Amino acid sequence: AQKITQTQPGMFVQEKEAVTLDCTYDTSDPSYGLFWYKQPSSGEMIFLIYQGSYDQQNATEGRYSLNFQKARKSANLVISASQLGDSAMYFCAMREGAGNQFYFGTGTSLTVIP
Amino acid sequence: DTAVSQTPKYLVTQMGNDKSIKCEQNLGHDTMYWYKQDSKKFLKIMFSYNNKELIINETVPNRFSPKSPDKAHLNLHINSLELGDSAVYFCASTRRGSYNSPLHFGNGTRLTVT
Repeated sequence: AQKITQTQPGMFVQEKEAVTLDCTYDTSDPSYGLFWYKQPSSGEMIFLIYQGSYDQQNATEGRYSLNFQKARKSANLVISASQLGDSAMYFCAMREGAGNQFYFGTGTSLTVIP
Repeated sequence: DTAVSQTPKYLVTQMGNDKSIKCEQNLGHDTMYWYKQDSKKFLKIMFSYNNKELIINETVPNRFSPKSPDKAHLNLHINSLELGDSAVYFCASTRRGSYNSPLHFGNGTRLTVT
């Protein structure tokens, strides 16, 4: 089974609207971390936000928030008030316990429409 | 600036040549990685080192040889380059054994083999 699944290859959102990028994960380890990365067309990988498996509250970083639903094993990224500069590939990733392997999804390409 | 830096940013070379990519991090991390990103943007782990010790060695042609002189440096040497090696190669680092420690990426090296 895939450790990280991103089912939306591409998404479009109107500028200033909110958008949710889906991510589901699969693990039997009670300790894990979930991460989102942004890759703009310039190519660099930018770390956006982290959610730990024991965190009671959803993580937030500025306009980014993570909708963490542990029972459903989902960790969706919510971007509020989309801006043109948000157009990029977005990757969800997971790290389990004391392991050093990061599992990445296949990414979602987000396009913000003016 | 604290960062992961890799050089060169672009590498254009002919089939059969040998080339190296260098990576250095000053984040105080003890674990470093090489990832390959193909044209479909899929991120594939190649190698990981912890404090100069190889800890992840995925199925990669033995033409690829990583080398870590110390925990802050991880280089990648590629022998007898092939067309299929064309990709973006990312170096990354993190703290070992901490599921809450994200990957920090270098800016990538775009390798084009002609």
